[in-house]
Amino acid sequence: DAEITQSPRHKITETGRQVTLACHQTWNHNNMFWYRQDLGHGLRLIHYSYGVQDTNKGEVSDGYSVSRSNTEDLPLTLESAASSQTSVYFCASSESKGAADTQYFGPGTRLTVL
Amino acid sequence: GIQVEQSPPDLILQEGANSTLRCNFSDSVNNLQWFHQNPWGQLINLFYIPSGTKQNGRLSATTVATERYSLLYISSSQTTDSGVYFCAVRSYSGAGSYQLTFGKGTKLSVIP
Repeated sequence: DAEITQSPRHKITETGRQVTLACHQTWNHNNMFWYRQDLGHGLRLIHYSYGVQDTNKGEVSDGYSVSRSNTEDLPLTLESAASSQTSVYFCASSESKGAADTQYFGPGTRLTVL
Repeated sequence: GIQVEQSPPDLILQEGANSTLRCNFSDSVNNLQWFHQNPWGQLINLFYIPSGTKQNGRLSATTVATERYSLLYISSSQTTDSGVYFCAVRSYSGAGSYQLTFGKGTKLSVIP
């Protein structure tokens, strides 16, 4: 069955370190998304991609970057981790770019920045 | 940007009771999804419902796009219904792109 996976599921790091969270989907979806979930804020969009070599900033992109070198993967990099980036991160994918699109979510990565 | 408000923020139910969760949004939307986040954190698609009514077992959803709200009904609640329910709306964000905006969720606790 097609699926979307994230790794690691849990990560503890120190302030200032570079961290990369992996997202891999086997749906063959063109679109991939990264969200963060914080208490009181729901899910907020960090970055998204509509295809290979395409990346776009979302609502809360400062301090994060993504790259899309193939269809299956969209890694999220925290260039210099900050305590404010402690959160649960979700990756999602979808098939189409249009209005009738439905997103499917990975299991999440819990990141703690000390 | 578009605002999405969910109510109530918290809800405690006795097993077997019925409930209605509400989602209001501030502008026209192209579609709307309801998700359930289970106690293990997994986000599960419940409904894709830009308008009208859909039913899936004990759950049903109604969206009245012209009045900018959606309702999620849970009947005969079970402890496995516990978790957080999110409403998310898709709206045009420019340059041919659509983005999904989430509400803050309703935390449901079903007690035996």
